[in-house]
Amino acid sequence: EAAVTQSPRNKVTVTGGNVTLSCRQTNSHNYMYWYRQDTGHGLRLIHYSYGAGNLQIGDVPDGYKATRTTQEDFFLLLELASPSQTSLYFCASSEGGGGNYAEQFFGPGTRLTVL
Amino acid sequence: SQLAEENSWALSVHEGESVTVNCSYKTSITALQWYRQKSGKGPAQLILIRSNEREKRNGRLRATLDTSSQSSSLSITATRCEDTAVYFCATDRGNYAQGLTFGLGTRVSVFP
Repeated sequence: EAAVTQSPRNKVTVTGGNVTLSCRQTNSHNYMYWYRQDTGHGLRLIHYSYGAGNLQIGDVPDGYKATRTTQEDFFLLLELASPSQTSLYFCASSEGGGGNYAEQFFGPGTRLTVL
Repeated sequence: SQLAEENSWALSVHEGESVTVNCSYKTSITALQWYRQKSGKGPAQLILIRSNEREKRNGRLRATLDTSSQSSSLSITATRCEDTAVYFCATDRGNYAQGLTFGLGTRVSVFP
């Protein structure tokens, strides 16, 4: 069964802090995604990747960097965290061949609080 | 504004009853997916219905798609307490971009 794990599960940092959220998938999927989930906004796509070294911009990329180091690992970087980035972050993966037709498998989420 | 959105914030039913969540979308789509998110968990896909399909079933779940009115519905029959969750529809992001755009979700509460 598909498995997506995220770490840490909870993170508290201060404004201006440096944060890295990690995601690993063991599905051999090509596509990986980072979303944020906020009340009133739902799930919004930050960045996605279709393979190691590849990065594509999502709908709300400002203030975020991401890096896909291997097929399994996708990282989300907040280099100067701001309170507006307090959110619940989800990583997901899907098979190649067109993400819109493919089921996305989500991790358990990371709750980030920026004070 | 949302490219996909559910039409109700919250619905409540008693166990055994049926419930329907409706979704409308604004772009031409290749497929629409329904996801469920239980408390403290990530979303999980329930059904994917392609643009050339009108109906799809998965056990107690039935999804419909009307491309002329750009709407979809997800019906759950014989509801159980464990169906309590937030239900999302998700569609293409448009302009051939990969990834999904999600609606805000409808909270369905099933009471004993």
